[in-house]
Amino acid sequence: EVQLKESGPGLVQPSQTLSLTCTVSGFSLTDYSVHWVRQPPGKGLEWMGVMWSGGSTAYNSALKSRLSISRDTSKSQVFLKMNSLQTEDTAIYYCTRGGTTVVTAYVMDAWGQGASVTVSS
Amino acid sequence: DIKMTQSPSSLSASLGERVTISCRASENINNYLSWYQKKEDGSVKLLIYHTSRLQPGAPSRFSGSGSGKDYSLTISGLESEDIATYYCQQGYTPLTFGSGTKLEIK
Repeated sequence: EVQLKESGPGLVQPSQTLSLTCTVSGFSLTDYSVHWVRQPPGKGLEWMGVMWSGGSTAYNSALKSRLSISRDTSKSQVFLKMNSLQTEDTAIYYCTRGGTTVVTAYVMDAWGQGASVTVSS
Repeated sequence: DIKMTQSPSSLSASLGERVTISCRASENINNYLSWYQKKEDGSVKLLIYHTSRLQPGAPSRFSGSGSGKDYSLTISGLESEDIATYYCQQGYTPLTFGSGTKLEIK
């Protein structure tokens, strides 16, 4: 069974760095990509970035200067780090699995339950 | 970035009714369009990808169509379990989503 689970602190202070971990099971990170998506309260879904199966990354240009995605394939984990957090970064953060073909690389066919992150002092 | 304009933002329909949600891209996205269902508990499921391909496990009452800039999701026979918010998403990086359609039972 394919599973993704986000973990990390629920509360982060303004100007600090957010670190989230996505632990996956049921598939290999070297076969599938992992995307990060967030949803601020009352707003829509925002794509943050992706760790492609080959190890390269792509980021939302609006977040690129603050965002870093990395992975540890031996532990089946993908990491998100975002610095200089502000209150508008308060959101539910999801990791999702992307497909393996040209047609499905952008398709998120499995989602984690989401991690709630509040930015507040 | 490609902007996705989704309509309506909310929709109230009766059980058994046929429901259609629309999405328009700011440029041609060549059928790279997916639809997702987000429930109140926060869970998200893929329903349709590449415009019209039904994700395994998604109910067959869901269907998608479209081309170029214009796409739609249809639910043929609304069921109570379909109460959710639906999002379209285009497939060129940076990936972008529509603003969502909240579906309620009338």
